[in-house]
Amino acid sequence: AQSVTQLGSHVSVSEGALVLLRCNYSSSVPPYLFWYVQYPNQGLQLLLKYTTGATLVKGINGFEAEFKKSETSFHLTKPSAHMSDAAEYFCAVSESTGTASKLTFGTGTRLQVTL
Amino acid sequence: KAGVTQTPRYLIKTRGQQVTLSCSPISGHRSVSWYQQTPGQGLQFLFEYFSETQRNKGNFPGRFSGRQFSNSRSEMNVSTLELGDSALYLCASSLIQGLGYTFGSGTRLTVV
Repeated sequence: AQSVTQLGSHVSVSEGALVLLRCNYSSSVPPYLFWYVQYPNQGLQLLLKYTTGATLVKGINGFEAEFKKSETSFHLTKPSAHMSDAAEYFCAVSESTGTASKLTFGTGTRLQVTL
Repeated sequence: KAGVTQTPRYLIKTRGQQVTLSCSPISGHRSVSWYQQTPGQGLQFLFEYFSETQRNKGNFPGRFSGRQFSNSRSEMNVSTLELGDSALYLCASSLIQGLGYTFGSGTRLTVV
């Protein structure tokens, strides 16, 4: 079974600082990887995804992530944090076997942005 | 285009009752999945439906069930509600299984 580990349940950065949220996965097959963001009392919004091809993936709101197979990592970054980035972020891996599929999520990282 | 619509948004039920939650996927999406989100267990997979057939099921008791209709709309049902069933239930739809899941805003179920 595939799994996802997000290091750091809480991350605090200053406005304008670099955002780095860590995600490591385990998978026996080439993975499809996702980052989602969740604002309070809302569902999950897709930030970006990696399926095949270019390992540096650009998403919405200035976020990007790099797939590193050798490190089994898919860390999320943003060069300059904004107050509106404060939310919870989830890394997920898609597991597909034949006609069945599901997402396996990490435990989430709550991002706090301070002035 | 319209997103994934979940109804109702909020629900309060009493222990022992049953509840039905509804999900309308994005037009053209035939794959619908359900997830339970709780502070203690995080996001857990419940089921996946594709073309009215359950293709995958998570590790939940039989009290949790679901179905998908010919128009791809899906419902999930929880019978004999327990306090621990209080959670945010999220529905996601996808054009292609395994890729590009779009989530609804969820149904917040509170069991008292």
